[in-house]
Amino acid sequence: GAVVSQHPSWVICKSGTSVKIECRSLDFQATTMFWYRQFPKQSLMLMATSNEGSKATYEQGVEKDKFLINHASLTLSTLTVTSAHPEDSSFYICSAPSPGLANTGELFFGEGSRLTVL
Amino acid sequence: GNSVTQMEGPVTLSEEAFLTINCTYTATGYPSLFWYVQYPGEGLQLLLKATKADDKGSNKGFEATYRKETTSFHLEKGSVQVSDSAVYFCALKSGQKVTFGTGTKLQVIP
Repeated sequence: GAVVSQHPSWVICKSGTSVKIECRSLDFQATTMFWYRQFPKQSLMLMATSNEGSKATYEQGVEKDKFLINHASLTLSTLTVTSAHPEDSSFYICSAPSPGLANTGELFFGEGSRLTVL
Repeated sequence: GNSVTQMEGPVTLSEEAFLTINCTYTATGYPSLFWYVQYPGEGLQLLLKATKADDKGSNKGFEATYRKETTSFHLEKGSVQVSDSAVYFCALKSGQKVTFGTGTKLQVIP
């Protein structure tokens, strides 16, 4: 099946610094990717939809200047957490919809990236 | 807006026990319904899906039936194994967006 890979899988940074997380579709092209945030014991919260060749679409309440999303190519989307603070510590997950003509609605998920801001 | 409600966990069962994880949804239109599973240390992966009313999704011994009249998509398995220990997420897709439930942690003990 289709594979989505994230990097890094975990990162620790100091408060005030920026962190970039990469999401790659390894064996298919993804014009759209989704970024989620997963809190402990809570559901996945959709943060934004990353669109190749255009601006990302952010969900209500998500700060665009805080969480910069760039869909650089058909296989790469990046999420940059700018001026990170401890409250940004979380598990960030990317996903891409199933490829091909028959869009089954299935999402393929990356392994997730755990960010800890000190 | 769309929402998914699933039973809170954790659920602890003995091996070979019967499993039910309840899931109900609220959505406009006719969403597709999914169960995703997240094994320890891994990303989410699709377990099964149903795209229209009365469809039954099945995989690895798990089943769920799309019940429009009760807006439910309960996950069942007749005999769980230790290897089924994971977090299970119910989800719906309406348009481009996928909405997830809060997840239910299942622990199966030998």
